[in-house]
Amino acid sequence: KAGVTQTPRYLIKTRGQQVTLSCSPISGHRSVSWYQQTPGQGLQFLFEYFSETQRNKGNFPGRFSGRQFSNSRSEMNVSTLELGDSALYLCASSNSRGDTEAFFGQGTRLTVV
Amino acid sequence: GESVGLHLPTLSVQEGDNSIINCAYSNSASDYFIWYKQESGKGPQFIIDIRSNMDKRQGQRVTVLLNKTVKHLSLQIAATQPGDSAVYFCAESPPYSSASKIIFGSGTRLSIRP
Repeated sequence: KAGVTQTPRYLIKTRGQQVTLSCSPISGHRSVSWYQQTPGQGLQFLFEYFSETQRNKGNFPGRFSGRQFSNSRSEMNVSTLELGDSALYLCASSNSRGDTEAFFGQGTRLTVV
Repeated sequence: GESVGLHLPTLSVQEGDNSIINCAYSNSASDYFIWYKQESGKGPQFIIDIRSNMDKRQGQRVTVLLNKTVKHLSLQIAATQPGDSAVYFCAESPPYSSASKIIFGSGTRLSIRP
């Protein structure tokens, strides 16, 4: 059974640009959550999607957005990139059928220059 | 608001000894806690979880203890091995949120001395 797949693994962008990251959950999982990991702030919850709807949202500005497709794959978008957006972006999937374990991908390392 | 925190940012343990990593939380209504292990270059990996109706839960070489009176959580790793070197996070899923919203603590880096 394939794990959570995130693409790309590494990305370098310039300030002011926008970026789209992709996450393919474990087959059969319908919930996808996104997290930002930085040395200063640690792991912070961005948002969660379930059945193509945003179900939970963390405390991030509107520049951070996401969506989920009918096959449960999810994308997150960051517009007008800032230097402080440099981070490891992690995606986690779970089946939300009572099981509580979330499985994480390896992340996308975004560097904003 | 929700908050989980770890007592020590780093912990060094002799190979073969037991490791104990501690964590405190602030929300007395919290009812689900998880420990994650993150190795370099990888995403967090689930180790063990515990609900607030339990005081103790055991897995393979790991035990989680929950003390709701003092809002304290600990992870014990028996017979620590080099492969246990990683950053360990305690985390909670806040009450009334889906299990997919996880609030992480700041992490303890466990290093193993040969």
